[in-house]
Amino acid sequence: GESVGLHLPTLSVQEGDNSIINCAYSNSASDYFIWYKQESGKGPQFIIDIRSNMDKRQGQRVTVLLNKTVKHLSLQIAATQPGDSAVYFCAENIGNFNKFYFGSGTKLNVKP
Amino acid sequence: DAGITQSPRHKVTETGTPVTLRCHQTENHRYMYWYRQDPGHGLRLIHYSYGVKDTDKGEVSDGYSVSRSKTEDFLLTLESATSSQTSVYFCAIRGTGSSYEQYFGPGTRLTVT
Repeated sequence: GESVGLHLPTLSVQEGDNSIINCAYSNSASDYFIWYKQESGKGPQFIIDIRSNMDKRQGQRVTVLLNKTVKHLSLQIAATQPGDSAVYFCAENIGNFNKFYFGSGTKLNVKP
Repeated sequence: DAGITQSPRHKVTETGTPVTLRCHQTENHRYMYWYRQDPGHGLRLIHYSYGVKDTDKGEVSDGYSVSRSKTEDFLLTLESATSSQTSVYFCAIRGTGSSYEQYFGPGTRLTVT
């Protein structure tokens, strides 16, 4: 598989704790957002999305919060597991659902 | 990897040589994408395709061309590779559900010496 040696901000959490990963986006016109998870040596994998007309969306063990006032997005992972260790990216989109702009990512390290 | 393969998976080439990367999908999806991933930059869109022979530029398209002669294949060509094009390249397809998530291939590591 492929991986990139990214010099990323790292969040270290204990197994079983909740994790919060933050993302600041750049364009106030962005109207659709996606969180991706990238494990070492693999391509990004979709986690959850949210449209700008929503403030919160929940999935299985994950919640995304959107604060348009301060252009901030967060991903909350409940009861973090070792399998959650990965790099997490937020991506923003404006209108056209083809051009997504990705953040530089946050590395989540789950300690057993 | 949602029926997406990339070839080659690794390639080392010399500056000035042409390089073609191939993305193949078995899902019959209309939309396909090429990204590059570099430290500190996340993923950046190079080109995308919205159908056979229909392509458009992304944010870092200079030095790259693409072609899509059939639904299942999307080719990325570096006409004359440069060291700045050393990167990991990911192909993606867009799902057809109610969300617009993209499914990514395993990536190709390209080194230009």
